[in-house]
Amino acid sequence: QSALTQPRSVSGSPGQSVTISCTGTSSDVGGYNFVSWYQHYPGKAPKLMIYDVSKRPSGVPDRFSGSKSGNTASLTISGLQAEDEADYYCCSYAASYTSLYVFGTGTTVTVL
Amino acid sequence: EVQLVQSGAEVKQPGESLKISCKGSGYSFTNYWIGWVRQMPGKGLEWMAIIYPGNSDTIYSPSFQGQVTISADKSITTAYLQWSSLKASDTAIYYCVRKNDGKNWFDPWGQGTQVTVSS
Repeated sequence: QSALTQPRSVSGSPGQSVTISCTGTSSDVGGYNFVSWYQHYPGKAPKLMIYDVSKRPSGVPDRFSGSKSGNTASLTISGLQAEDEADYYCCSYAASYTSLYVFGTGTTVTVL
Repeated sequence: EVQLVQSGAEVKQPGESLKISCKGSGYSFTNYWIGWVRQMPGKGLEWMAIIYPGNSDTIYSPSFQGQVTISADKSITTAYLQWSSLKASDTAIYYCVRKNDGKNWFDPWGQGTQVTVSS
């Protein structure tokens, strides 16, 4: 199972919105509504931001939202803040003989 | 508070064995899966394997099958990831994660264990 494809980096000014795409196949992203997103500050433990494509755990700001269309999932950060500068990874359930779960390649969000 | 606390950084030589740990607290250890995720230097996250401490059911990514062994000791609410013969390419940060049975996300994550394999 190949890693899901994410842009290497995205950037935006404070207050703007940025969207990170996560492209897979019909065997993972497109086949199940089980996409999750994780925020990762280097040297820290990753944090769950979105699960089941668009659900937010308690405590995650509503500036973070998720969606999916076909084989591509997306994470949108609205009203970008300085503390949103981090790496973001998507992950999808795959349930294939190659891997039960597959992560994305990761995207670095830079706040200008 | 639900927590996963991992063992400390390790520096090993090629060919040595290693077992790192992940201790769960603040929840019913036997009712959740514990998984392991690798991050090689400068690279992204890779799902490795998962275990259900309640019955020791395990699932490995084919990429890691035969390369590592996962286990759990429910009496001390601790999961393990072990290697019998390390290679330089095993140098990475290893995270343990908790997964609810029937759900498909990981929360929380351990703080990570840095494993360095060098001669």
